[in-house]
Amino acid sequence: DAKTTQPNSMESNEEEPVHLPCNHSTISGTDYIHWYRQLPSQGPEYVIHGLTSNVNNRMASLAIAEDRKSSTLILHRATLRDAAVYYCILRVANYGGSQGNLIFGKGTKLSVKP
Amino acid sequence: SAVISQKPSRDICQRGTSLTIQCQVDSQVTMMFWYRQQPGQSLTLIATANQGSEATYESGFVIDKFPISRPNLTFSTLTVSNMSPEDSSIYLCSVDIEGVGTEAFFGQGTRLTVV
Repeated sequence: DAKTTQPNSMESNEEEPVHLPCNHSTISGTDYIHWYRQLPSQGPEYVIHGLTSNVNNRMASLAIAEDRKSSTLILHRATLRDAAVYYCILRVANYGGSQGNLIFGKGTKLSVKP
Repeated sequence: SAVISQKPSRDICQRGTSLTIQCQVDSQVTMMFWYRQQPGQSLTLIATANQGSEATYESGFVIDKFPISRPNLTFSTLTVSNMSPEDSSIYLCSVDIEGVGTEAFFGQGTRLTVV
């Protein structure tokens, strides 16, 4: 079962920032927080991931709460192309360098209005 | 990064038949996975494709229905056997790339319709 909780849907206006929340109250110390998104009729694509510190990349920023029980994906300026389902997933880092599986929940469907 | 090629991209099949889906990656990978996405639903992990040995199946999925092969580091196949309309879904291949860390890559999927 998915160990994260996300709102089913969110709306945003084009060119405005979007904050997508995710709760993961049962996160363990070896769980990385991953975000993927799935555009219509495409496979999921990686957005960002982090462990404890906030992370930035060209696509988005990830803000992680100090207790790690929640996180927020931030799209700084939403475009119409950002309309997608966004998945927040915990992925365990195993001893020996392997990783646990990616288990998808229902995600948040983001709509962007022009 | 990695480029994942899935074939076929879509197919319409008769019930009772089988379809084999191919997944080819342009990089050596550590892990390969197969997912199913039923209409309007999220992704469900079917199995982990292990090189040179039997795949590891998730609860609710069995080898007789979804046989998987992975003869080398960059190629895997998933067969959907004895199909029924309930098998109509998108099937996706996913990989972890050696040396990249925890990022996963996904193919574009195979859209299967069983009639």
